[in-house]
Amino acid sequence: DAMVIQNPRYQVTQFGKPVTLSCSQTLNHNVMYWYQQKSSQAPKLLFHYYDKDFNNEADTPDNFQSRRPNTSFCFLDIRSPGLGDAAMYLCATSRGAKNIQYFGAGTRLSVL
Amino acid sequence: GENVEQHPSTLSVQEGDSAVIKCTYSDSASNYFPWYKQELGKRPQLIIDIRSNVGEKKDQRIAVTLNKTAKHFSLHITETQPEDSAVYFCAHNNAGNMLTFGGGTRLMVKP
Repeated sequence: DAMVIQNPRYQVTQFGKPVTLSCSQTLNHNVMYWYQQKSSQAPKLLFHYYDKDFNNEADTPDNFQSRRPNTSFCFLDIRSPGLGDAAMYLCATSRGAKNIQYFGAGTRLSVL
Repeated sequence: GENVEQHPSTLSVQEGDSAVIKCTYSDSASNYFPWYKQELGKRPQLIIDIRSNVGEKKDQRIAVTLNKTAKHFSLHITETQPEDSAVYFCAHNNAGNMLTFGGGTRLMVKP
């Protein structure tokens, strides 16, 4: 009954090799978020889509891009992963902005 | 500013005792304050939230209190159980209506 599904759960990539993480949702929520979470830290918002409108956080590196081809799917593209990009990446959805966010199980990215 | 400070960073209690985690924020326009629980290796999950039109909200053993004048809100867990052991994050909506998270509190409930 997973409502926000992230694939893969674990991803290993090489330094500089592009990688794409995916997120899908069955909740029909109009807002989708991508967070980066490093060990023992709070989730850090990278960007979000409000419907089709893309909103980048000011301190999100250019190395991170996102696509939302339809309501259900959202992708995180890391163009040239560095060692510092190794983290858990969490996708979340909500109906509107100031409402409950439902998180996916996350993708743990390792960069070799 | 949009920072939120969360204290303590770690909290160890005996099973059956109460646990209190406090967050302080600076944005007076914030009006939505959720708390998330994240067990080791799992996703954050909402456990309770409060909006600024109320001062307290309870759900069984969990309660949240909000003091808008002082700009702080607290999570109270009574009769703690080992399964309450997790990292708890407070959050509030910032100027862009996105959530700003506190630094987290690692709660350990000793049986």
